Amino acid sequence: LAKTTQPISMDSYEGQEVNITCSHNNIATNDYITWYQQFPSQGPRFIIQGYKTKVTNEVASLFIPADRKSSTLSLPRVSLSDTAVYYCLVGPLYNFNKFYFGSGTKLNVKP
Amino acid sequence: SQTIHQWPATLVQPVGSPLSLECTVEGTSNPNLYWYRQAAGRGLQLLFYSVGIGQISSEVPQNLSASRPQDRQFILSSKKLLLSDSGFYLCAWSVGQAGAGEPQHFGDGTRLSIL
Repeated sequence: LAKTTQPISMDSYEGQEVNITCSHNNIATNDYITWYQQFPSQGPRFIIQGYKTKVTNEVASLFIPADRKSSTLSLPRVSLSDTAVYYCLVGPLYNFNKFYFGSGTKLNVKP
Repeated sequence: SQTIHQWPATLVQPVGSPLSLECTVEGTSNPNLYWYRQAAGRGLQLLFYSVGIGQISSEVPQNLSASRPQDRQFILSSKKLLLSDSGFYLCAWSVGQAGAGEPQHFGDGTRLSIL
C-alpha cells in the first residue's frame, strides 16, 4: 500500500495560487492519485484524479512527474471558501484495498 | 441525481450502550458503500466496505459491526459502546468496481460522543 506524506498545514492569501505537494515514494504501477477536500463537520468531496502528467478540471490542476513519486494539487486564485483540509490518496482504481487517507493538509486562506 | 443520507447528525451515548447509525443512498443502483471514522484533527479511517447486499468487509478489528440489509442501505452498529468509539462517522458510496481510486461521495456524517 502506497502511503502518502503531506504538509500538515499551509497558509495563503486570497487571490494567490496554492500548490500542495504529496509524496508517495512507493506508488505502484496500477495506482491512481486522487485528491479530496473536506470542510469542518462535512464529508470529503472529490476534487481531481490522475495517473500521470497533468490533469485539469474546473476546480484544480494535478501535476504528476514522470516518476510518479509525488504529485501537486494546484488551486488557482484561492478564496476564503477554499479554507479546508486537502487529502491526497493513492491506490488502485479498482481492486479495493486498505487505502489510506492520511491526516491531510490544512489550508488556511487569509483575506 | 444521487444523494446520500446519514442520521442522526449528532449523537451522545453512554458507555456500554448500543449503537445504530443508518446510511441510505438514492438515485443509484448497486453502489459500493463505506463506513469511515475520523477522530478529532485526524484523517479518515476506513472501517467497513460493501460491494453488495449482505457482503461486508472489515478493515480493522473493533467494537463495531456493519450490515447491508438492502441495496442502498448501510448500517453501523455496536452492542456496547466504548469511550474510544467517539468520533465523526462518515458513510460514502461509489459506483463501478470498488477501488481506492474510484471517486467516493460522502454524507454529512454523524458526530458521536461517548460519555
